Amino acid sequence: DAGITQSPRYKITETGRQVTLMCHQTWSHSYMFWYRQDLGHGLRLIYYSAAADITDKGEVPDGYVVSRSKTENFPLTLESATRSQTSVYFCASCRDSRSYEQYFGPGTRLTVT
Amino acid sequence: KQEVTQIPAALSVPEGENLVLNCSFTDSAIYNLQWFRQDPGKGLTSLLLIQSSQREQTSGRLNASLDKSSGRSTLYIAASQPGDSATYLCAVNISNSGYALNFGKGTSLLVTP
Repeated sequence: DAGITQSPRYKITETGRQVTLMCHQTWSHSYMFWYRQDLGHGLRLIYYSAAADITDKGEVPDGYVVSRSKTENFPLTLESATRSQTSVYFCASCRDSRSYEQYFGPGTRLTVT
Repeated sequence: KQEVTQIPAALSVPEGENLVLNCSFTDSAIYNLQWFRQDPGKGLTSLLLIQSSQREQTSGRLNASLDKSSGRSTLYIAASQPGDSATYLCAVNISNSGYALNFGKGTSLLVTP
């Protein structure tokens, strides 16, 4: 039971570089989410997806791009990384929008130098 | 905008004590509420999910209640143990962002032997 996985777990990159964070779930859940966690702000929604090829912005989408060509994958791309994007990124999924729990991946700790 | 507040921000108790963590939210139009545990540097572990039609949920030494009309939830931990030391996060499922979770900033709990 692999569940939801994220890769890489740790990443250091330089300002201006493009970075892609991967998220994969084995449950065939319809909904997937990207959150970032920062001291003082808690967890905030970046993007979400209701199904393959359906994505929408969350609270803090600027500087990020997502895609969802397959139900099980939901990559998050930082097109040109900035220091303010240094954070811990969590991917989550849930089967049903109203009643079921969200399950979180282990997180990716990203440092932009 | 839904605001989720957790009080206290930090709590230290001796082992064996019963304790209550509080969560409040500003908009009662939620689908469900989830309590998570997060250990330092780790991901989120779901503890309890309360659907909007429910009043409480129990799992072992944990009991979570929900009062939608007043915008409040509590997490009760019975007979606390040092292994309960972690940050506890409350999150409400909102309808206007693909049913993403809106998080409080957490309560950091320390249970001393």
